[in-house]
Amino acid sequence: NAGVMQNPRHLVRRRGQEARLRCSPVKGHSHVYWYRQLPEEGLKFMVYLQKENIIDESGMPKERFSAEFPKEGPSILRIQQVVRGDSAAYFCASSPGSSNSPLHFGNGTRLTVT
Amino acid sequence: DQQVKQNSPSLSVQEGRISILNCDYTNSMFDYFLWYKKYPAEGPTFLISISSIKDKNEDGRFTVFLNKSAKHLSLHIVPSQPGDSAVYFCAAIKAGTYKYIFGTGTRLKVLA
Repeated sequence: NAGVMQNPRHLVRRRGQEARLRCSPVKGHSHVYWYRQLPEEGLKFMVYLQKENIIDESGMPKERFSAEFPKEGPSILRIQQVVRGDSAAYFCASSPGSSNSPLHFGNGTRLTVT
Repeated sequence: DQQVKQNSPSLSVQEGRISILNCDYTNSMFDYFLWYKKYPAEGPTFLISISSIKDKNEDGRFTVFLNKSAKHLSLHIVPSQPGDSAVYFCAAIKAGTYKYIFGTGTRLKVLA
């Protein structure tokens, strides 16, 4: 009965490198969300995806950030040329997509940019 | 524009007493509300929810109250236990949409 699986749990990158965060949703869930939590702040919506489609990426910076949820395999959040301000906890959540159903969260990836 | 607000960043309560966590929202179109609990280094865990057609939902020690006219909801934990110490987030969504909006969280500390 696996929940949402995120890896890696911790990721350290130097400025200018790429960060790749992975998320496998709950089995049977076809809707994936990415949220970011900065230190001492709440959860900020980044992007919402369904299989092979980005539905809403309004919370994601226009540059350097991208997300995908391919037909096969996990959802990927990719951050190119990371900067110190990208250091945060990134949480993935999934849902079955039915109305009034709660999101199920993974344990997050903590990204540290040095 | 913070549509969901938790104005108390922290709260301390004695074990056995009631904990009351508050949440305000500005968008009257929201009609489904949720509470999540988050321990350090873990993801948020769903706790309890309420639809706007109700004004109260109870699950064991946890009760959520919704006051639509005041655009306010609260989570009551009775009796509070040390294991309840965590950060609590409220969230809201409009039916038929997909964007869950979260508050900034309240850190609850239950003192033994």
